[in-house]
Formats: sequence, structure tokens, C-alpha cells
Amino acid sequence: DIQMTQSPSSLSASVGDRVTITCRASQGISNSLAWYQQKPGKAPKLLLYAASRLESGVPSRFSGSGSGTDYTLTISSLQPEDFATYYCQQYYSTPRTWTFGQGTKVEIK
Amino acid sequence: EVQLVESGGGLVKPGGSLRLSCAASGFTFSSYSMNWVRQAPGKGLEWVSSISSSSSYIYYADSVKGRFTISRDNAKNSLYLQMNSLRAEDTAVYYCARGAGAMLGWGQGTLVTVSS
Repeated sequence: DIQMTQSPSSLSASVGDRVTITCRASQGISNSLAWYQQKPGKAPKLLLYAASRLESGVPSRFSGSGSGTDYTLTISSLQPEDFATYYCQQYYSTPRTWTFGQGTKVEIK
Repeated sequence: EVQLVESGGGLVKPGGSLRLSCAASGFTFSSYSMNWVRQAPGKGLEWVSSISSSSSYIYYADSVKGRFTISRDNAKNSLYLQMNSLRAEDTAVYYCARGAGAMLGWGQGTLVTVSS
């Protein structure tokens, strides 16, 4: 199975900060990577897919990059509504056994 | 508007069974693969199972293989998860989610608690 390792597990940041979250796969996943945002008590929300494609309606301050095994989610200017937990997910493996990263909690500094 | 509404969660004893349902609306259900994803209290997301649009392909996480069965009824726009031989570690909020890879939309979840 492909393992996904996210870092950091948590971070504290201020409104306006640039925030970067990293996700590393145990093997190459050919950009088959999604990022989700989850707020307490709510379902996850898709932010990006195919590593860098922004889901419709998601603000452009969110961006994704990477290739091979290493991927990054960047929030260019953190807004109050962005404080949440973020998860990466690979959808490359065959047979389909999708895996999520352990999550990164973004907290207010 | 795309909607996914889960139901069927509750309290069940270890070794018991439960059947979750997910009612879909606002999109052509029969055209999409569907998934179940769970989240234990205070923990991260865990993919549980996927089913292709025509039920031709079905996949399970090792943690539930042989105990859980995913199915769908395209005529009823519904997804199901039959859970047998439940264990304490199956306690979680169970979400249904639409999509063959990236999960495009999620329901609000239904809580399953396995406890004596």
C-alpha cells in the first residue's frame, strides 16, 4: 500500500501569512493527489485535485505543486476562514486502495 | 445542488451488524464511482471502500475486508455499506463521497459507535 506522510502535523500562523504543507508518498503517484480542508464537525471539502488543479469555487490563494513523491499545498495569504485541518489523499494505487495523510492542523498564532 | 445524505448509524454491540445508506441527489448518480470514508473520534480520515458506477469494480481497505460489503442501487440513487462483525475500532463518523479518485463531494456523515 502507498503511505502518505504529511508535515507538519500542526502549525500556528497569523492572518496574512504564507503557509506551506507537505505530503510525501512512499512511491511515485504521478500527480494523483488531492487536498481537502476540514473544519470541526464538518465534512471534508475538496480544494485541489491532480496535485495542482483548483476545484471550482475554491479561492485562488490555495495552490498545489509537486511531482513524483513530493507534493505541497500553499496558502498564499492565510485568511480567518482558513483555520482548519488539511489532508492530502493519493488516488494512484492499483488496485484502488486510497490513502490519506494524517492531517495538518492550521491554528491561529 | 449536489447532495449526499447518510443514515443508519447508531450504537451497536461488538460483533453486531449495521447497514448504512447514502441518498444521492442533484447529479447523475449512475455515472459516478462512490466511496465510504470514515473518521474515528479525534482522528484522521480513513478510506473504507469504493464501488464503480455499474458495481463492476469494488475495493476495500484491509481493515474491513471480509466484514463490510459496499453496494449501490442506481435506480434508487443510493449507496450502502453493510457492516458485520463490528469492532470497537470501527467506531467513527462514516461519510459517503462521490468520485473515482479525488472525492468531489461528501455527505455530512453518520456516527457509528461500537460499544458494549
